[in-house]
Amino acid sequence: AQTVTQSQPEMSVQEAETVTLSCTYDTSESDYYLFWYKQPPSRQMILVIRQEAYKQQNATENRFSVNFQKAAKSFSLKISDSQLGDAAMYFCANSTTGANSKLTFGKGITLSVRP
Amino acid sequence: DGGITQSPKYLFRKEGQNVTLSCEQNLNHDAMYWYRQDPGQGLRLIYYSQIVNDFQKGDIAEGYSVSREKKESFPLTVTSAQKNPTAFYLCASSIGPSGQGYGYTFGSGTRLTVV
Repeated sequence: AQTVTQSQPEMSVQEAETVTLSCTYDTSESDYYLFWYKQPPSRQMILVIRQEAYKQQNATENRFSVNFQKAAKSFSLKISDSQLGDAAMYFCANSTTGANSKLTFGKGITLSVRP
Repeated sequence: DGGITQSPKYLFRKEGQNVTLSCEQNLNHDAMYWYRQDPGQGLRLIYYSQIVNDFQKGDIAEGYSVSREKKESFPLTVTSAQKNPTAFYLCASSIGPSGQGYGYTFGSGTRLTVV
């Protein structure tokens, strides 16, 4: 079974600063994917970034980047130059491959951005 | 524009009633999913379907039922057997097992309240 752990329920960052959101996961699969989703107050889930487990290079999407440590089963999200619009709940998620693959989510972290 | 439509946005149910939440997608995705979101619990999988006329139980299927008669539609029925149905329900879709690396597309959700 897959599990995803986000141990920090809340974090705060000053506008224009950098913040890192932590995530650890557990899976017995060798091939899998990792994701970060953002859920703003509208509650619409938005895909922020994804990482393929077989790729050693960390994924980046503009101000968002990940630190993927496969051996440690760690997948943290770094947000650079934080903006007020980054305030949201962020979910880490893990998906295996194959016929019955599904996405397993962590409990989420609420990020607030101070002006 | 392609996407996922969930209706209604808000739903009120009396104790002992069954209610059905609608989820329709025009993305031509094979796989569809239902998640339940509670404060501090993240997203938990209720049911999922990888192909028409087939579906599997997720982690919290008790008290829920689904059908998948058409590729575009995956309605969720919350039955009177569900003891604590008040929650936010999210429907999602994906290309299918071969496209798990692309993540899911989510609807805007239905807030169900028992009155």
